[in-house]
Amino acid sequence: EAQVTQNPRYLITVTGKKLTVTCSQNMNHEYMSWYRQDPGLGLRQIYYSMNVEVTDKGDVPEGYKVSRKEKRNFPLILESPSPNQTSLYFCASRTPGTGLHEQYFGPGTRLTVT
Amino acid sequence: AQSVSQHNHHVILSEAASLELGCNYSYGGTVNLFWYVQYPGQHLQLLLKYFSGDPLVKGIKGFEAEFIKSKFSFNLRKPSVQWSDTAEYFCAVTGGSQGNLIFGKGTKLSVKP
Repeated sequence: EAQVTQNPRYLITVTGKKLTVTCSQNMNHEYMSWYRQDPGLGLRQIYYSMNVEVTDKGDVPEGYKVSRKEKRNFPLILESPSPNQTSLYFCASRTPGTGLHEQYFGPGTRLTVT
Repeated sequence: AQSVSQHNHHVILSEAASLELGCNYSYGGTVNLFWYVQYPGQHLQLLLKYFSGDPLVKGIKGFEAEFIKSKFSFNLRKPSVQWSDTAEYFCAVTGGSQGNLIFGKGTKLSVKP
């Protein structure tokens, strides 16, 4: 089954404790992206990757890092989480191009930073 | 920069009522337009998309949207909503060389049985 998976689905952590949210897709998509969803703000893009070893900042990259060492994986790293990073995070992937193809979204990771 | 505006934050309807959710975008070039739906506790799913051709696009579950270029709009419609349509709806647009999705802030739809 074609899908995007994320782990963990739920995470409660404390300020400053480094964490990684994994994202994996099995559709051989070149393009992958991370979003955060906050009430009243919709989804905002954090980082995206056009292909292996090619990453770029989205609209809200501060406090986040990503890596793309393999085509299927695109982990999101929070080196020193803060409470304002409490949010619902979605990973997505699609085939490359100028947005002609729909993005497939993962199930989401709900992160709480205390 | 591109942006997407969704006019309604929360819409409450009774079953069988007609639905129209507004979406306007700002971008001068060629755009691709999407409506996504997020059911409670679930991830986003594609409802419909517009790339070119007929500006009236039909999607899943009886939804449709009309692209009006002169108004920079892509409103979502459904003639008769059901309780199961209760969800949050997001309009999104892509454009430019990278094709990144820009989302509106979403509209929550509550349908009363």
